[in-house]
Amino acid sequence: EIVLTQAPATLSLSPGETATLSCTASQSVGSYLAWYQQKPGQAPRLLIYDVGNRATGIPARFIGTGSGTDFTLTINSLEPEDFAVYYCQQRSNWPPVFSFGPGTKVDL
Amino acid sequence: QVQLQESGPRLVKASETLSLTCSVSVGSGSSYYWSWIRQSPGKGLQWIGYIYYSGSTNSNPSLKSRVSISVDRSRNQFSLNLTSVTAADTAVYYCASGQYAFHIWGQGTLVTVSS
Repeated sequence: EIVLTQAPATLSLSPGETATLSCTASQSVGSYLAWYQQKPGQAPRLLIYDVGNRATGIPARFIGTGSGTDFTLTINSLEPEDFAVYYCQQRSNWPPVFSFGPGTKVDL
Repeated sequence: QVQLQESGPRLVKASETLSLTCSVSVGSGSSYYWSWIRQSPGKGLQWIGYIYYSGSTNSNPSLKSRVSISVDRSRNQFSLNLTSVTAADTAVYYCASGQYAFHIWGQGTLVTVSS
């Protein structure tokens, strides 16, 4: 089973700053790495899939990069609505098994 | 645009079976994985399991012995059964779809396990 770890657990920033979130996998996940944003009381929203592809309607300030076991979500010029919890997620090739990281909270 | 909606009992007694249904607004016969995911209060996300349009399933190894997922294509629904529940199974349960990432999510439903 592939385990994902995320760092830091909490990131305290101000609007206009850049957030850099890390996700590390216990073994290579190829290109099947996704990022989600979750706000209180809401379902998670897909931001990035296949490492670097933005989901429909996601602003260009959200950038996903990485390969193998190390991945990064960069949020440029934080907007007030970006303060939330972010999760990374992977799917192993076969058999398909999904797992999530523990999350990074981006707060003021 | 596919939409998902969870339904089922909000309160389940300990040792009984938690049963939820996800209604899909567009046909459930497309080439997607239809998954269940849960989130305990104040905690992170845990993938429970999926059913593929062909009917094949797989689940989280930590829950495998208690999970069954089925699909009813005539009703555009897929369902989750989780047996022998305890207080640790209290969570918001989401249904979601996607092959490698979860592009579509239901709004989630809070299920509380009572003693």
